[in-house]
Amino acid sequence: RKEVEQDPGPFNVPEGATVAFNCTYSNSASQSFFWYRQDCRKEPKLLMSVYSSGNEDGRFTAQLNRASQYISLLIRDSKLSDSATYLCVVRALNAGNNRKLIWGLGTSLAVNP
Amino acid sequence: GAVVSQHPSRVICKSGTSVKIECRSLDFQATTMFWYRQFPKKSLMLMATSNEGSKATYEQGVEKDKFLINHASLTLSTLTVTSAHPEDSSFYICSARDQGGVTEAFFGQGTRLTVV
Repeated sequence: RKEVEQDPGPFNVPEGATVAFNCTYSNSASQSFFWYRQDCRKEPKLLMSVYSSGNEDGRFTAQLNRASQYISLLIRDSKLSDSATYLCVVRALNAGNNRKLIWGLGTSLAVNP
Repeated sequence: GAVVSQHPSRVICKSGTSVKIECRSLDFQATTMFWYRQFPKKSLMLMATSNEGSKATYEQGVEKDKFLINHASLTLSTLTVTSAHPEDSSFYICSARDQGGVTEAFFGQGTRLTVV
C-alpha cells in the first residue's frame, strides 16, 4: 500500500463546478497535512495546510479525519485557472526520527470553459 | 515572501558528464534544504536532506556518490549529478526550511535535466 494515495483522476469539470479530491495515508503517526498545487513542468506550491477542525480559504476547503486517515480538498465555483495537479502531502517522522514529507501521486484537474 | 532560487532551470548534457544544480534561499537562512526528483507522471521523491555544515542524509536507494550534495552556507546548497546517464533525466527540485520553519513550503523552480 502506498503511504499516500489519491484519487487517480483526471477530473474534467466545467467552470463553476464543485470538485472534491480525496486522499488517504497509511502512517497513523503522521503529524501534518497539506495540499499543494503543481502546474505542468513547474515546482509545487503550497495551497493550504489541513487542520483537524477543517479549514477554508476562499473557494477551497480542506478536511482531515484522523480516525479514518483521510484528507479531502473541496474546490467550489471552479475557475479555468484552477487547472493543475493537486498533491496531497503528509509529514511524518522517518526511521531516523527526522521529519519527512511524503507526497501523493497527485490528481489532475482540468476546468473547461 | 521567502524565495528559493534554483539554477539552471533546464540543462542538457552528454552521458558521462557531471551537472551541478544550485539552490539558493534569497531572503532567509535555510538551515535545511531538501532535494527531490520527479519523473513524468510520478510523485516527488525525496532524494536527500542537507543541513548546513554537515553531511547530507540520503534516502534509501539514492547513491550518495552519484548525487553529491554540498550545503556549505546557510543560503546555498548544490546537487551534483556525477557521470550522468540517460536514466538520470528527470525534474530535480529543491526546497528549503528556515530555522523556525514548520513546513518545507519554499520550493525552487526546478531543474529539468536531460542526459543524451
